[in-house]
Amino acid sequence: KAGVTQTPRYLIKTRGQQVTLSCSPISGHRSVSWYQQTPGQGLQFLFEYFSETQRNKGNFPGRFSGRQFSNSRSEMNVSTLELGDSALYLCASSRDGASTDTQYFGPGTRLTVL
Amino acid sequence: GDSVTQMEGPVTLSEEAFLTINCTYTATGYPSLFWYVQYPGEGLQLLLKATKADDKGSNKGFEATYRKETTSFHLEKGSVQVSDSAVYFCALPHTGGFKTIFGAGTRLFVKA
Repeated sequence: KAGVTQTPRYLIKTRGQQVTLSCSPISGHRSVSWYQQTPGQGLQFLFEYFSETQRNKGNFPGRFSGRQFSNSRSEMNVSTLELGDSALYLCASSRDGASTDTQYFGPGTRLTVL
Repeated sequence: GDSVTQMEGPVTLSEEAFLTINCTYTATGYPSLFWYVQYPGEGLQLLLKATKADDKGSNKGFEATYRKETTSFHLEKGSVQVSDSAVYFCALPHTGGFKTIFGAGTRLFVKA
């Protein structure tokens, strides 16, 4: 079956702009998580959604937001971009987010803020 | 709070050498434990997992045993290949739920 897809794969934005990233989970998966990956901070959890509800959120400013649609597709938005937001943003899906569930990752969206 | 500590990299080995990447964790109870691998230009993918103490996860020649006495889940492979060059992440689900904590990642280089 098709894997997790993320669009776009690459983005270049300037400071102060906003950006929306999209994630389509594996069919039948209802949990979607987002992570920010940088060389300095590694993988940091942004938020997790299940059935259109945010169940957990990481320690990121309110400029970072997300949502999930009824078909489990998810988007994340970053407003007022800063240079430090340059990173690889990874989306992962799982059946229901249980602690034993394997997460399936997309290839990521590489965001560069100039 | 919950945390994962991995050995720092990079680790450079010759082909057919033995690999160990150490991972220790701090958590409430006995969480499931995971190893994920990230190849260049890709997202992470599951390498192996163990869902309870003393379980051994294995895949593609890699193994890791869930040791609750030492709160460890070290990754091992008897004979590495050039194609194993990647970044390896140890991970555990957060006690509070619906969140995974990843180690810092260990980059492995295997030379022919």
